[in-house]
Amino acid sequence: DAGVTQSPTHLIKTRGQQVTLRCSPKSGHDTVSWYQQALGQGPQFIFQYYEEEERQRGNFPDRFSGHQFPNYSSELNVNALLLGDSALYLCASSFTLYNEQFFGPGTRLTVL
Amino acid sequence: EDQVTQSPEALRLQEGESSSLNCSYTVSGLRGLFWYRQDPGKGPEFLFTLYSAGEEKEKERLKATLTKKESFLHITAPKPEDSATYLCAVQKAGANNLFFGTGTRLTVIP
Repeated sequence: DAGVTQSPTHLIKTRGQQVTLRCSPKSGHDTVSWYQQALGQGPQFIFQYYEEEERQRGNFPDRFSGHQFPNYSSELNVNALLLGDSALYLCASSFTLYNEQFFGPGTRLTVL
Repeated sequence: EDQVTQSPEALRLQEGESSSLNCSYTVSGLRGLFWYRQDPGKGPEFLFTLYSAGEEKEKERLKATLTKKESFLHITAPKPEDSATYLCAVQKAGANNLFFGTGTRLTVIP
């Protein structure tokens, strides 16, 4: 039973560039949430997708956008990258909106 | 304002030395409290969900408890492989997201 997968594992970008991160949920899950984790901090909620719609959003600017596909996989897009966007980006999946969330290994984004 | 505070920030234990980690929370309308374990550079691994005060759950050397204001993660006779950061998160009623604390970094020395 495949767990949550994310790609790429690591990414290095420069300020002002755009980035796309990808996530495939655990088998049987239909809801995907994205979190940003800075070093030494707990994950912070970015947004959540269910039935291909954004259902809830955290306190992140519009530079952060996402998408969910019919197969439940998801993308996180970040435009106009800032140095402060450097973090571990985590995808979590669940079966419907309110159940336990299972996390992927994350994508380490470094912005230079 | 919603708040999740974990203590201590870091804890060093000798192998076999039992202890507890604390997660205190202030949130209006708690739906559930979650414990995760996170190894360096990896994603959090789900451990437990607690829904109501008085509830307890166990898994191997770990036991989680919940009151109306805090949760404890008890570690009995820890082993070096229990070394990790333990994260606590709350989910409000009617909300879908998890709100995390900053974690407790546990080191178990052989």
